Amino acid sequence: TQLLEQSPQFLSIQEGENLTVYCNSSSVFSSLQWYRQEPGEGPVLLVTVVTGGEVKKLKRLTFQFGDARKDSSLHITAAQPGDTGLYLCAGGETSGSRLTFGEGTQLTVNP
Amino acid sequence: DTGVSQDPRHKITKRGQNVTFRCDPISEHNRLYWYRQTLGQGPEFLTYFQNEAQLEKSRLLSDRFSAERPKGSFSTLEIQRTEQGDSAMYLCASSLAAGSYNEQFFGPGTRLTVL
Repeated sequence: TQLLEQSPQFLSIQEGENLTVYCNSSSVFSSLQWYRQEPGEGPVLLVTVVTGGEVKKLKRLTFQFGDARKDSSLHITAAQPGDTGLYLCAGGETSGSRLTFGEGTQLTVNP
Repeated sequence: DTGVSQDPRHKITKRGQNVTFRCDPISEHNRLYWYRQTLGQGPEFLTYFQNEAQLEKSRLLSDRFSAERPKGSFSTLEIQRTEQGDSAMYLCASSLAAGSYNEQFFGPGTRLTVL
């Protein structure tokens, strides 16, 4: 069974601070997605990384896929209250079937 | 631009009753997935369809659960004889089979509460 571990589980910071969320696995994934989820809503796709060592930027968010395609990180620069939410990483299998999700990182950015 | 839609958004039922949820995927997407999410956890895979064929079912999907996608468009998920442990958010997602790196787009979910 493939597992994804996210850390930290909870993060509360002040507006303007930087933060990094980690997603680690002992398994290799063909792709890795990052989602953000707000209470009572479904996850919203932020980015997909597929190549080992790949780095993608989305405004103040920087996503990195590990060289061995087993781990990933999300770095947010100058966090804003609108960044508050549950950040989920999900690993995709080559077959294109299920996504395996981590437990999520609940981020709170205080004004 | 229509994304994935789910109906109902909320369902409260008594233990032992049957419930059915509907999911309408993004129109050109041929793959449709069902996940379940409990409080404080990430979504867990239940099952997925490619067109009308159900290709994979998780062990989480007990005999009381059944999913259909009869015409390869919308899908239904039925839970028979609901139990309190079935209380969760049921999420539907869809994707394109080819060249999408398994990018799945989620609906808003159906929140089920079993009393």
